[in-house]
Amino acid sequence: QQQVKQSPQSLIVQKGGISIINCAYENTAFDYFPWYQQFPGKGPALLIAIRPDVSEKKEGRFTISFNKSAKQFSLHIMDSQPGDSATYFCAALMGGKLIFGQGTELSVKP
Amino acid sequence: DTAVSQTPKYLVTQMGNDKSIKCEQNLGHDTMYWYKQDSKKFLKIMFSYNNKELIINETVPNRFSPKSPDKAHLNLHINSLELGDSAVYFCASSPQESGFSTNEKLFFGSGTQLSVL
Repeated sequence: QQQVKQSPQSLIVQKGGISIINCAYENTAFDYFPWYQQFPGKGPALLIAIRPDVSEKKEGRFTISFNKSAKQFSLHIMDSQPGDSATYFCAALMGGKLIFGQGTELSVKP
Repeated sequence: DTAVSQTPKYLVTQMGNDKSIKCEQNLGHDTMYWYKQDSKKFLKIMFSYNNKELIINETVPNRFSPKSPDKAHLNLHINSLELGDSAVYFCASSPQESGFSTNEKLFFGSGTQLSVL
């Protein structure tokens, strides 16, 4: 019940395209849904986050869409750039514990 | 300048040895964590401490013992290392913000890659 399922495992997008990563959860007690970005050799860094009372949040080229009834949320990266190539993790928070998805390795081709 | 720093960055050791990883944060945060990232990049929480007090202790073998001498430091000691302990270990910290759920924003260190031979 504490799992967060993320897909796809890997994604290749052309420069300028839209990258979409999806996550699903089961436990309705989760109350905060962040996305983290991790570059090779570095720790994950918070990218953008959303609460379940909001359906969409946008920060620059990054947008989270949240569907509470379906218990799904997704990250959209508009105008994807080679510098966006990294591993992306969705996560969900409950009781002070952040549960991560399995990660998506994004590669943006020039 | 570094917010969350952990040492060493790489640790190569033999099975059965005991090793420690150190972590320090200069952000003034109250809560610190250890996460383990396996070879498939899956991140899993191991421990969290709030102001030197153990808050979360996941199902981790008791060969792993965290120690927090003060709220800016959280070290991880591992006894009798096994092959399966090979992973990247991340230290992280988070502020405690009134009005929100605690532990929302994690600030991660750069990781310690542990290889057990």
